[in-house]
Amino acid sequence: NFMLTQPHSVSESPGKTVTISCTGSSGSIASNYVQWYQQRPGSAPTTVIYEDNQRPSGVPDRFSGSIDSSSNSASLTISGLKTEDEADYYCQSYDSSNFVVFGGGTKLTVL
Amino acid sequence: QVQLQESGPGLVKPSETLSLTCAVSGYSISSGYYWGWIRQPPGKGLEWIGSIYHSGSTYYNPSLKSRVTISVDTSKNQFSLKLSSVTAADTAVYYCAGGGGVTTNFDYWGQGTLVTVSS
Repeated sequence: NFMLTQPHSVSESPGKTVTISCTGSSGSIASNYVQWYQQRPGSAPTTVIYEDNQRPSGVPDRFSGSIDSSSNSASLTISGLKTEDEADYYCQSYDSSNFVVFGGGTKLTVL
Repeated sequence: QVQLQESGPGLVKPSETLSLTCAVSGYSISSGYYWGWIRQPPGKGLEWIGSIYHSGSTYYNPSLKSRVTISVDTSKNQFSLKLSSVTAADTAVYYCAGGGGVTTNFDYWGQGTLVTVSS
């Protein structure tokens, strides 16, 4: 079964840059689009990146997404960190059978 | 503006069937799009349950497939989830969501509804 692995938690200071990785268990992560969601406590997830590196309207350009085929990973990078960025972040993709897969989630602490 | 709203019992007994409905407003389900159910156990991550295209094609998480049914009711502009033989492990916040298809993101999400499995 295809799986996506994320670090359990990351932390960084306000104003700095943080990168959250999402590693595919098999195949090429570059073959299927990766989405990233932000989830604040008590709220539904919202999209911050879709189709690897596209930002929905309203999402600041401090958020960016990329794919690294050499490590079979996707990454979400947040620059100029703000305390409001503190949340859980999930990557999501799909496998060859069109089954949706979520990563386990990464808790971002901005301290 | 597309809005989704889950509804259904907040408490289900073990071995019974969990039934939830997602009412869609601001968009006609019969026009297209891709609809799904995602759940989140307390303190844990997101788990995809299954999805359905407006055409009726369904895709289910293999780990839940034997217990899940997702259907669309275009006359009521809603889609539904049934999960049979529930146990305490099925206790979670259940979200309905909509998007352009499996290759892209879920654009729209309901607020989520907590379903507790307990006698």
